[in-house]
Amino acid sequence: NAGVTQTPKFQVLKTGQSMTLQCAQDMNHNSMYWYRQDPGMGLRLIYYSASEGTTDKGEVPNGYNVSRLNKREFSLRLESAAPSQTSVYFCASSEGVLGTAQETQYFGPGTRLLVL
Amino acid sequence: EDQVTQSPEALRLQEGESSSLNCSYTVSGLRGLFWYRQDPGKGPEFLFTLYSAGEEKEKERLKATLTKKESFLHITAPKPEDSATYLCAVRTSGTYKYIFGTGTRLKVLA
Repeated sequence: NAGVTQTPKFQVLKTGQSMTLQCAQDMNHNSMYWYRQDPGMGLRLIYYSASEGTTDKGEVPNGYNVSRLNKREFSLRLESAAPSQTSVYFCASSEGVLGTAQETQYFGPGTRLLVL
Repeated sequence: EDQVTQSPEALRLQEGESSSLNCSYTVSGLRGLFWYRQDPGKGPEFLFTLYSAGEEKEKERLKATLTKKESFLHITAPKPEDSATYLCAVRTSGTYKYIFGTGTRLKVLA
């Protein structure tokens, strides 16, 4: 099992460019999440998908869109990148049953994004 | 406003010197508290979940405890390989949203 995989590992964009961050999990999990991690701040939830076919906004959704392509894949799109979106992006997944061990989130290795 | 605060921000220990990391929270309804370990350049790795005050979980040199206002991660006789950033997160009632603290950077010196 690869767990949660993310591509690319590192990306440099110019202001105004667009890109899609890809995430896939092979654990048959129902729920998937996108976070960003910035120095001095905790992981902040951008969007999540509690189950296939649903997506919801997290704490910092502005400037991002997501697509739950199927049960395995959850992508994050930046339509017009801004320097404020320079960050490390983590995807996570969980079986999704709240209040049980199955709500544990498993994280990918991250994508480091630099917007110039 | 729901908030999670971790202390200290950074901690240096000698190998074998036991200590505790703190995670205090103010949330409207705690439904779970989670501890993660994060190594540089990697994603967080799950350690423990605690659901109710008085609950304790142990794994090797780590022990997590939970009260109504805070959680502690006790590290007994740490080794250099325990060096990492330790994150805590909480989930509040009826939501898939998790609030993370900023972490404690632990350095264990040989």
